[in-house]
Amino acid sequence: RKEVEQDPGPFNVPEGATVAFNCTYSNSASQSFFWYRQDCRKEPKLLMSVYSSGNEDGRFTAQLNRASQYISLLIRDSKLSDSATYLCVVNMIINTDKLIFGTGTRLQVFP
Amino acid sequence: SAVISQKPSRDICQRGTSLTIQCQVDSQVTMMFWYRQQPGQSLTLIATANQGSEATYESGFVIDKFPISRPNLTFSTLTVSNMSPEDSSIYLCSVEVSRGGYGYTFGSGTRLTVV
Repeated sequence: RKEVEQDPGPFNVPEGATVAFNCTYSNSASQSFFWYRQDCRKEPKLLMSVYSSGNEDGRFTAQLNRASQYISLLIRDSKLSDSATYLCVVNMIINTDKLIFGTGTRLQVFP
Repeated sequence: SAVISQKPSRDICQRGTSLTIQCQVDSQVTMMFWYRQQPGQSLTLIATANQGSEATYESGFVIDKFPISRPNLTFSTLTVSNMSPEDSSIYLCSVEVSRGGYGYTFGSGTRLTVV
């Protein structure tokens, strides 16, 4: 089983749609969680950290369910510019500062 | 957050040669990380580079193949040695934005093609 699993997609959605991505992680000792965005041929960029209480940043909402070991990202009112690959990332800080990346979920927003 | 300058941005190399990739950070950081992203795949950590000590390599990566230098708190290099076509990949360096799980920032990557 992969340490971080994501549906690779692609998710093809029209502008204005709401889309949700899920991610599961296998290590219950994981301490911090992130969503990164990666555009084609570019480096990953931090979209948002994910907190236990859930957090929102504009059209983006991230949630963490530690009991079930999954993380979600909700994008409301999708824009064409949201088209990218979204990477779920977990970090175990206790013993080692090491990011584990999911393979990413590809989102394509069409007009 | 920290700004990383990574170079070269891309290179095409002959098999059997070596390439050294550089990352310069605009602030002092304790740890720098080197990743590989193979075509169509996600990022895999190669090693963690601490200033003043040997780099810590992940399973499947060895110092002879990927020697790392970390001469000070703002700079690191990764060398891909004795290259083969299987080393064709994107290589990225990364540093922590700030302690406490606030995320990591990446260099712009080096796209390596070995022919």
